[in-house]
Amino acid sequence: GAVVSQHPSWVICKSGTSVKIECRSLDFQATTMFWYRQFPKQSLMLMATSNEGSKATYEQGVEKDKFLINHASLTLSTLTVTSAHPEDSSFYICSASPVSEGNSPLHFGNGTRLTVT
Amino acid sequence: AQSVSQHNHHVILSEAASLELGCNYSYGGTVNLFWYVQYPGQHLQLLLKYFSGDPLVKGIKGFEAEFIKSKFSFNLRKPSVQWSDTAEYFCALRPSGGYQKVTFGTGTKLQVIP
Repeated sequence: GAVVSQHPSWVICKSGTSVKIECRSLDFQATTMFWYRQFPKQSLMLMATSNEGSKATYEQGVEKDKFLINHASLTLSTLTVTSAHPEDSSFYICSASPVSEGNSPLHFGNGTRLTVT
Repeated sequence: AQSVSQHNHHVILSEAASLELGCNYSYGGTVNLFWYVQYPGQHLQLLLKYFSGDPLVKGIKGFEAEFIKSKFSFNLRKPSVQWSDTAEYFCALRPSGGYQKVTFGTGTKLQVIP
């Protein structure tokens, strides 16, 4: 089945530094990938839609200058949390579905636990 | 705008009890509906999906869900739960046609007591 790999699985950084999270589709191509954020005991909140070769589409309330998204190829999207602060600590999850399968369900990465100290 | 509501936040059942988790959605057009499960410490996994056709869909591990268009509902059911079903369950919606974003409900935490 379709596999989405996310790296790193966890990261601890100091306040003010930037952190890059990678999302790869291992056995399929994805023109679109999605980045979610999950707060403790809450559902997934869509942050942005990452589009290969073009700018990401951000959801209302998400700072695009803080959460930089790059979708450089059909198998890789990156989320960079710039100048991270403790309130950015969260669980970030990416997802994608094969471009060849139209309305196929999303496949999720294992997520990245970010802790900002 | 689309939205998904899961009214049961926390459900506790004994093993062998029957399960029904509610999911209602709001969207004016045709939708694809999903149920995902997240076991403790693991990532989201697809349980089942509805795109079109038979409104009663069967998924993995004995789960099924029924799409009732008139009620905007897609409730998840299982006739007899097991301790291993302890997890969090998310209902999700995506407008059909094209490559559109998925909206999740707030999730229902199911605890099955042996």
